[in-house]
Amino acid sequence: EPEVTQTPSHQVTQMGQEVILRCVPISNHLYFYWYRQILGQKVEFLVSFYNNEISEKSEIFDDQFSVERPDGSNFTLKIRSTKLEDSAMYFCASGGVGYTFGSGTRLTVV
Amino acid sequence: GEDVEQSLFLSVREGDSSVINCTYTDSSSTYLYWYKQEPGAGLQLLTYIFSNMDMKQDQRLTVLLNKKDKHLSLRIADTQTGDSAIYFCAESNQGGKLIFGQGTELSVKP
Repeated sequence: EPEVTQTPSHQVTQMGQEVILRCVPISNHLYFYWYRQILGQKVEFLVSFYNNEISEKSEIFDDQFSVERPDGSNFTLKIRSTKLEDSAMYFCASGGVGYTFGSGTRLTVV
Repeated sequence: GEDVEQSLFLSVREGDSSVINCTYTDSSSTYLYWYKQEPGAGLQLLTYIFSNMDMKQDQRLTVLLNKKDKHLSLRIADTQTGDSAIYFCAESNQGGKLIFGQGTELSVKP
């Protein structure tokens, strides 16, 4: 069964550093998403991406965040100048109705 | 704004039926979903229901939707220890951004 692949599975970074979280969506999917889950809280929508541009973003997705599809297969989330409160599990997803999630990247900001 | 609420815990005995409940506020929800998350894993789509349906059955899973009361339930028949996980209810409008509940942790005792 096709999978959404995320790397790395766990990343530790120092406060103020930039991180790039990587995702390989399912190859024939056109819609891509990023969500995050802070420990003990709900899974929250960050951004959706279609046709090489952002189609919707949440209030959380401010100038600190950016997404890119640098080639035909990867979909990345960049977080600039990380803060302690950015520590969370970040999930990538792709597809239409009932889309497929990856296993997530656990980001720890120290 | 849109909100989705679930009870946090459910404990059942192996072989019993489990019923996980969810309420939502968005009257324009088009699709409602159930996702399963096992420890250390991503969000696995179990099933979804279109808002003009009352019920959907898929093997051991039965989804009931009461649109008037904005209430969604997931019934798992003959619950097994392998069903122990966190179950997330989610809703979307037109199949895009998902709004998640906080998840119900199902514990199945032998």
